[in-house]
Amino acid sequence: DIQLTQSPSFLSASVGDRVTITCRASQGISSFLAWYQQQPGKAPKLLIYAASTLQGGVPARFSGSGSGTEFTLTISSLQPEDFATYYCQQLNSYPRMYAFGQGTKLEIK
Amino acid sequence: QVQLQESGPGLVKPSETLSLTCAVSGGSFSSSDYFWGWIRQPPGKGLEWIGSIYYSGSTYYNPSLTSRVTLSVDTSKNQFSLKLKSVTATDTAVYYCASRPSSGYEFKYWGQGSLVIVSS
Repeated sequence: DIQLTQSPSFLSASVGDRVTITCRASQGISSFLAWYQQQPGKAPKLLIYAASTLQGGVPARFSGSGSGTEFTLTISSLQPEDFATYYCQQLNSYPRMYAFGQGTKLEIK
Repeated sequence: QVQLQESGPGLVKPSETLSLTCAVSGGSFSSSDYFWGWIRQPPGKGLEWIGSIYYSGSTYYNPSLTSRVTLSVDTSKNQFSLKLKSVTATDTAVYYCASRPSSGYEFKYWGQGSLVIVSS
């Protein structure tokens, strides 16, 4: 099975900062990677799919890049509403299953 | 815009079967446009995919849960269901239903989540 490892697991930053979260796959997954944001007590929200395509309605300060085994989610200028937990996710071809990274909690410094 | 809503008991006894239903609105449930699925999140922990089902009834499950999980669809009611048998305290979690487009793999729409506690 393909494993997804996010780094860091915890990130402390300030409003206005630029932050980057990394998701590494244990083997190449082309560009089949999505990113989600989860606020406390809420369902995850899709931010980015196909590694770099922004979901409709998501602010342009969010961006994704990467392919193969290393992917990044970048927030160019943190806003107060961005402090949340972020997950990466991919679809494994065989066995056919979905996997999530362990999450990155972004906290206010 | 697809909307999803989970329903079911919030408390299940150990060794019994957890049953949840997800009602789908705002889209054509019986179309080939979407796959439907369940994802859970234990308190304070990360996300775990449970299984997915197509409107035709074809399924695939997380290998770690496949012996205990059954997904089904009811196209007449625009809903799909999850049954997880022989539950233990480790199955305590918020259970989300979600959908992904057939052409993709990302979960685009999510229900609000349903907390299920396994306890006697």
